[in-house]
Amino acid sequence: DAKTTQPTSMDCAEGRAANLPCNHSTISGNEYVYWYRQIHSQGPQYIIHGLKNNETNEMASLIITEDRKSSTLILPHATLRDTAVYYCIDGNYGGSQGNLIFGKGTKLSVKP
Amino acid sequence: DADVTQTPRNRITKTGKRIMLECSQTKGHDRMYWYRQDPGLGLRLIYYSFDVKDINKGEISDGYSVSRQAQAKFSLSLESAIPNQTALYFCATSDLDRVGEQFFGPGTRLTVL
Repeated sequence: DAKTTQPTSMDCAEGRAANLPCNHSTISGNEYVYWYRQIHSQGPQYIIHGLKNNETNEMASLIITEDRKSSTLILPHATLRDTAVYYCIDGNYGGSQGNLIFGKGTKLSVKP
Repeated sequence: DADVTQTPRNRITKTGKRIMLECSQTKGHDRMYWYRQDPGLGLRLIYYSFDVKDINKGEISDGYSVSRQAQAKFSLSLESAIPNQTALYFCATSDLDRVGEQFFGPGTRLTVL
């Protein structure tokens, strides 16, 4: 089972920032937080990941709390094309591990 | 061109038939994965491969087999399809040291009647 907790659904107005929360209270010191999204029935798409520090790339920003028990994915200017299910995953994926454990994610609806 | 491709994209078959789903990648990644997705259940790992000589069972391997023909190709077979294997199937790849960053194909929608 997924080790993270996310809200089932969220709405966001087009052009506004979308802030998607995730709780990962059992995360251990060497585990990263990964975010993926899945648009309709397409293949999931990797967005961003982080360990301790906040991260930013061309798609989004990731804010991780100091105690690392929760994080927020920020889409700074949401568009209709950002409507998708967003998955937060924690894990240590070095070595021989390969199993990304996808929960049910947050269904983000961006509305005009 | 897509980095990870899957064929076929849609397939309808009958109970008991053998079926093969194929995955090819041009990313040069060593690691490849097969997942299935059922409505409301998220993705579950079927098999994964770290290189041509290495195959590993995932969470739900019963009823499936795989073949890693080359670094770029990873096939999933259902030897005798059954209706509860109706699902969306995804292939994914990753770099050797970046397993958490997986690149997914477009998926194959399989229906077993």
